[in-house]
Amino acid sequence: DGGITQSPKYLFRKEGQNVTLSCEQNLNHDAMYWYRQDPGQGLRLIYYSQIVNDFQKGDIAEGYSVSREKKESFPLTVTSAQKNPTAFYLCASSWGRTDTQYFGPGTRLTVL
Amino acid sequence: GQQVMQIPQYQHVQEGEDFTTYCNSSTTLSNIQWYKQRPGGHPVFLIQLVKSGEVKKQKRLTFQFGEAKKNSSLHITATQTTDVGTYFCAGPPYSGAGSYQLTFGKGTKLSVIP
Repeated sequence: DGGITQSPKYLFRKEGQNVTLSCEQNLNHDAMYWYRQDPGQGLRLIYYSQIVNDFQKGDIAEGYSVSREKKESFPLTVTSAQKNPTAFYLCASSWGRTDTQYFGPGTRLTVL
Repeated sequence: GQQVMQIPQYQHVQEGEDFTTYCNSSTTLSNIQWYKQRPGGHPVFLIQLVKSGEVKKQKRLTFQFGEAKKNSSLHITATQTTDVGTYFCAGPPYSGAGSYQLTFGKGTKLSVIP
């Protein structure tokens, strides 16, 4: 089965802790993305990567970090510097940066 | 930078009524893509339009791409409760280098009253 997986589906963390969200794809896509979605809001781009070992900041990168050591994987770390981390986080991938994006099921992060 | 705007933000319709959402870009687009996100779910690709003035249909859904390739619309005929969700448009600018990429609108949330 080809697709994108994200884990965990729900995540709870205490304020002040860093947390890493997983995103894996087996579609052989070059580009991967992280979006944040707040209730009733659209998709805001956090980071994106077009090739392995390279990534760029999106519109709201502050308080987040990523790595792209493998083509299949693009983990997102939500650091303690992110002031309002509670949100729905979506990972996506595509062949190229203007192509159709395929989304994972998302991770709902709640900071307690 | 490029901006993609969608209207309306919310739409409530009686089941059986028609629904239309509009997408407008500040720059000419090379293509326009539409996605649907069901409540609690993730965005799923619906369709892509590439040509100026292009019209495509998927059952009760009709998608149009403007002549100037700066706007698009999605029309649903005789809405059903299965149409509930948020519809996003997205498009990359026609030309550009560097960081140009797919930009999403904020979406139109459709509610259907049975």
